[in-house]
Amino acid sequence: GIQVEQSPPDLILQEGANSTLRCNFSDSVNNLQWFHQNPWGQLINLFYIPSGTKQNGRLSATTVATERYSLLYISSSQTTDSGVYFCAVERGGGTYKYIFGTGTRLKVLA
Amino acid sequence: KAGVTQTPRYLIKTRGQQVTLSCSPISGHRSVSWYQQTPGQGLQFLFEYFSETQRNKGNFPGRFSGRQFSNSRSEMNVSTLELGDSALYLCASSEGLAGGPNEQFFGPGTRLTVL
Repeated sequence: GIQVEQSPPDLILQEGANSTLRCNFSDSVNNLQWFHQNPWGQLINLFYIPSGTKQNGRLSATTVATERYSLLYISSSQTTDSGVYFCAVERGGGTYKYIFGTGTRLKVLA
Repeated sequence: KAGVTQTPRYLIKTRGQQVTLSCSPISGHRSVSWYQQTPGQGLQFLFEYFSETQRNKGNFPGRFSGRQFSNSRSEMNVSTLELGDSALYLCASSEGLAGGPNEQFFGPGTRLTVL
């Protein structure tokens, strides 16, 4: 099956710093999402981005489908950005099954 | 639009018991997926339902089952609970149309503890 790798596994930043999280996947995909999991376990949708670039405030994401990777950029990080960031992909073709990466645990220090 | 709701939010059971978890999707969404999250295995796909039909299933034993009702609400059941079933169970809702974008929206989860 499709493999999803996220890097780095852990990241510690000072408030105000910028960061880039990476998601590599082993096969072509029809759907790709980025999530932020808050301390209570809720998965918050950040981006639905099977290809191209999107921006939402301090966050932006780029997926290069032909090269099988996606990047999540966080600028001017805040303590509230702390948590775990997941990338999830779905191959399509009738699978209806998202595969999650192992996540990047981000801690932003005040 | 109301979001995805899951009940109960917390549950404590003992080994050998069974449990039923419920998920109500976003209005108009016909697909419901279930995932298990544990510290050791991460987020793993359990199964997906669309219009009362299971379209895909993950690699879990037969003790894990689910169903979907005509109003798109879904339940999952775990029988003969084991300690290793302790986990956060997450439900996701999407339009689920074949060939269409399939953005998933998650509920708050049910945290199951098996003693």
